[in-house]
Amino acid sequence: DAGVIQSPRHEVTEMGQEVTLRCKPISGHDYLFWYRQTMMRGLELLIYFNNNVPIDDSGMPEDRFSAKMPNASFSTLKIQPSEPRDSAVYFCASSPAGAGYNEQFFGPGTRLTVL
Amino acid sequence: GEDVEQSLFLSVREGDSSVINCTYTDSSSTYLYWYKQEPGAGLQLLTYIFSNMDMKQDQRLTVLLNKKDKHLSLRIADTQTGDSAIYFCAEEDYGGSQGNLIFGKGTKLSVKP
Repeated sequence: DAGVIQSPRHEVTEMGQEVTLRCKPISGHDYLFWYRQTMMRGLELLIYFNNNVPIDDSGMPEDRFSAKMPNASFSTLKIQPSEPRDSAVYFCASSPAGAGYNEQFFGPGTRLTVL
Repeated sequence: GEDVEQSLFLSVREGDSSVINCTYTDSSSTYLYWYKQEPGAGLQLLTYIFSNMDMKQDQRLTVLLNKKDKHLSLRIADTQTGDSAIYFCAEEDYGGSQGNLIFGKGTKLSVKP
């Protein structure tokens, strides 16, 4: 398996533009997570899905952020309109369900810069 | 709610031992985890410990768990420059639904030659 795939790896955009980040989880994994990492705030959980259903979106900063998981192999995180304070590295992670320890597999991240 | 705390920075000399400490709040966590993040990459599971254990050793890594004090530590013996990374402690989130982890802010380990 190729692991969790994220695209694009880098995104530079101007304030006010729409940004869409994409994630392909590991096949067979039931959980999908979106995180944001900044120097100031560390790693923050934005939202996570179980079997394509959003379970907890309390970490989504505001209405400008939205996430979807239309099927088990694809998820998007959209920011509209983007602001400079959204600049961060965004990680997608997936995890299998079931008993036992809970390993999350992280993608390489998307580095977003909003000018 | 759950919270995981760890110091932000640690600097050691190559060949010394590194000890990274963490405190957590959810005593119902079945497992506790250490993740490693190398520069420019995502987090990767380094090791974990089952909550009924006090210690787990895996080559140069030793995890110590003090459930009474809710304290977790990661010791890296004979630290190498390749160990330079950010290390995250994590507990399981049973305040919400299963499947989620609560991560600390990470400890940046710098290894000086």
